[in-house]
Amino acid sequence: GAVVSQHPSWVICKSGTSVKIECRSLDFQATTMFWYRQFPKQSLMLMATSNEGSKATYEQGVEKDKFLINHASLTLSTLTVTSAHPEDSSFYICSASRQGVNSNQPQHFGDGTRLSIL
Amino acid sequence: SQQGEEDPQALSIQEGENATMNCSYKTSINNLQWYRQNSGRGLVHLILIRSNEREKHSGRLRVTLDTSKKSSSLLITASRAADTASYFCATRFSGGYNKLIFGAGTRLAVHP
Repeated sequence: GAVVSQHPSWVICKSGTSVKIECRSLDFQATTMFWYRQFPKQSLMLMATSNEGSKATYEQGVEKDKFLINHASLTLSTLTVTSAHPEDSSFYICSASRQGVNSNQPQHFGDGTRLSIL
Repeated sequence: SQQGEEDPQALSIQEGENATMNCSYKTSINNLQWYRQNSGRGLVHLILIRSNEREKHSGRLRVTLDTSKKSSSLLITASRAADTASYFCATRFSGGYNKLIFGAGTRLAVHP
């Protein structure tokens, strides 16, 4: 069964709305989670690394004030797309690993959130 | 920026045939992983090969890694229509940073 749960799976909202996406590790604690963005027929682009209890690490070119990440517990990270606009429409996916940094463990992915901004 | 490239970008085969996808990367890695993505869904981990390994098998999957050429291949034998999906390689850098960088992916279509 799924080990990482992502919610909601689909969001349609008006331009200017802020949207929060949740990523939960279901049966393990994740000190680190990752947020990706994927455009149609393209690969996953890492947006940021979410660290429990500290600030997220953003990849170059990703606006941290636009994409707010909160990792308040060992099983939950949230991504908030603030004041969303049509160009923010995309597929957002989170992932987490059972073990921490420097492990040879695979990432477990949520099922993604399709965000459509009208 | 993305770590590597995959080829082909798209592959169309008949059921029963083998499918081979290639991945190249640019820097030193701890491991390389292959993932599968069905349309509109998250990714499913298929196989992980460490930098000191050269070949790994899992069911109908065979992965090779050539660190001298910075390349890997995924072979799916006796393909089935249910194998239709996008396949991505992902590399984890050596040097202590845990993030995965994904290749461009190969879209595989297996026709009955």
